[in-house]
Amino acid sequence: GESVGLHLPTLSVQEGDNSIINCAYSNSASDYFIWYKQESGKGPQFIIDIRSNMDKRQGQRVTVLLNKTVKHLSLQIAATQPGDSAVYFCAELSSSNYKLTFGKGTLLTVNP
Amino acid sequence: GAGVSQSPSNKVTEKGKDVELRCDPISGHTALYWYRQSLGQGLEFLIYFQGNSAPDKSGLPSDRFSAERTGGSVSTLTIQRTQQEDSAVYLCASSFGLRRNQPQHFGDGTRLSIL
Repeated sequence: GESVGLHLPTLSVQEGDNSIINCAYSNSASDYFIWYKQESGKGPQFIIDIRSNMDKRQGQRVTVLLNKTVKHLSLQIAATQPGDSAVYFCAELSSSNYKLTFGKGTLLTVNP
Repeated sequence: GAGVSQSPSNKVTEKGKDVELRCDPISGHTALYWYRQSLGQGLEFLIYFQGNSAPDKSGLPSDRFSAERTGGSVSTLTIQRTQQEDSAVYLCASSFGLRRNQPQHFGDGTRLSIL
């Protein structure tokens, strides 16, 4: 069935290190992916998106990589800061509907 | 407004009561979505609107749940005869149309607690 999941439920890094958060998806019809950041008590905040016709997209301090062969998505955060501490969700959209399917999230903790 | 606005931010009510949750989308966004997030879980899609129309209601958990949107703007999610399992954070999102590859932007949600 359709699913979007995360390999690691928690990730702890030192301030200044680079972080990599991974996500696997199983729906081959997925053609649009989004990474969201959710801080405690807040709604998900859009970070970056990528279409299935791309394999890499860069933003400010963030890069998303898409490997359609193995149905894998990753979010790289450069020079991680304490303010990056949050739960990160990947979400996918298939070509047949408009609802986002979310994974369960990865908790990123940045140690000063 | 600058972002999606939801009210109330918190709601505590007794089992069996009806509740109404409100969402104000980003100005100019024609598509609006409702999700539910249970404690420690991901987001569960409930319903979406394009304009005032809701083409897909299959995500609503039961017939106690309903949603409407008027004037292509504000939406309300109503839960009748609330049950304890309805306790969750209800999130609203909006996007600039239903064109694909338009990111959905979320409000901070309504935290609903059923006693």
